[in-house]
Amino acid sequence: QVQLQESGPGLVKPSQTLSLTCTVSGGSISSGSYYWSWIRQPAGKGLEWIGRIYTSGSTNYNPSLKSRVTISVDTSKNQFSLKLSSVTAADTAVYYCARGYSGYEEWGQGTLVTVSS
Amino acid sequence: SYELTQPPSVSVSPGQTARITCSGDALPKQYAYWYQQKPGQAPVLVIYKDSERPSGIPERFSGSSSGTTVTLTISGVQAEDEADYYCQSADSSGTYEVFGGGTKLTVL
Repeated sequence: QVQLQESGPGLVKPSQTLSLTCTVSGGSISSGSYYWSWIRQPAGKGLEWIGRIYTSGSTNYNPSLKSRVTISVDTSKNQFSLKLSSVTAADTAVYYCARGYSGYEEWGQGTLVTVSS
Repeated sequence: SYELTQPPSVSVSPGQTARITCSGDALPKQYAYWYQQKPGQAPVLVIYKDSERPSGIPERFSGSSSGTTVTLTISGVQAEDEADYYCQSADSSGTYEVFGGGTKLTVL
């Protein structure tokens, strides 16, 4: 069974770039008709879709974040990554990576990223 | 930008039926998905493609669609069903995805 694991700094300074990586195990990131997404959740609030990438490299982003988001994939490492630039306190959240196909059946455990000086 | 609207909260007694709605203009064109999230845990997919149930999800969970509204129904609610529920779909062109604001289900 495929497993996903987020990794990256838990603390980022305001105006800097948040960088996270999701490592996929138990299967190839290139197999099947899946896509790979980032989703976040501020404490006590709802889920927010950030964006997705197909293994072809094609991406789609949340229009409200599009100017600051880049999602990339490294098939050789079975990983995909998120970069969010010019962060503020409003970007503090638990960040999840997830595998999409017909809904998101596989999720990482989530990683808390705090934006603070 | 596109939005999905859910009621903030729904309360039911054990054994009763809970219905959680999700409204959005593109729902006649795009499938909806439902997730259950318990505190401190990642969401779990409970309904896909409006009304399909993933393996391992109890039969008391069902989904339906009518026009611009989709509904998650939990029949014979149990205490363990107390959680936040989120609908998810896409804009009319399928370019980006969106989650509803979430509904807190309380089992009285």
